[in-house]
Amino acid sequence: EAQVTQNPRYLITVTGKKLTVTCSQNMNHEYMSWYRQDPGLGLRQIYYSMNVEVTDKGDVPEGYKVSRKEKRNFPLILESPSPNQTSLYFCASSPPLGGNTEAFFGQGTRLTVV
Amino acid sequence: DAKTTQPNSMESNEEEPVHLPCNHSTISGTDYIHWYRQLPSQGPEYVIHGLTSNVNNRMASLAIAEDRKSSTLILHRATLRDAAVYYCILRDVWGKLTFGTGTRLTIIP
Repeated sequence: EAQVTQNPRYLITVTGKKLTVTCSQNMNHEYMSWYRQDPGLGLRQIYYSMNVEVTDKGDVPEGYKVSRKEKRNFPLILESPSPNQTSLYFCASSPPLGGNTEAFFGQGTRLTVV
Repeated sequence: DAKTTQPNSMESNEEEPVHLPCNHSTISGTDYIHWYRQLPSQGPEYVIHGLTSNVNNRMASLAIAEDRKSSTLILHRATLRDAAVYYCILRDVWGKLTFGTGTRLTIIP
């Protein structure tokens, strides 16, 4: 079954404690991205990757890092989480560049930073 | 980024057709019109997409205006499971999806 898997689904952490949210896809997609969803603001793109070792900032990249060492994995790293990063996070993947392809989203990771 | 405008909310009776409108007056010639929906506690789910011509699939139909400045998602026979937030999105040649705030669809039994 084609899927995007995020872990963990829920996470409560303290300010400043480094954390990583993993994302893995089994569809051999080149394009992967991370979004955060906040009430009243919809989904906003954090980072994206067009292929292995190719990453770039989205609309709200501050406070986040990503890496793309393998095609299937695209982890989201919070080096020093702060309460304003409390949010619902989604990872997505899709075939190569272009608008004529559908994107697949993970189930989400609800992060709370206290 | 090109933006879309949708009504905040809509209601429809069960087993009736639903027409969800979207305006995208700043669409560029290479942008595809995508629709996704998000059920409670789930990630967004692809519904349909198109460029210029109307499109049909097992989930819905997409009607695109001739000037491409608006589109309508059509659910032919709404069920309770169609209650969700529906997002109309323009996807650019680089693959980026820029979400708006969507339309919350309520289905009345």
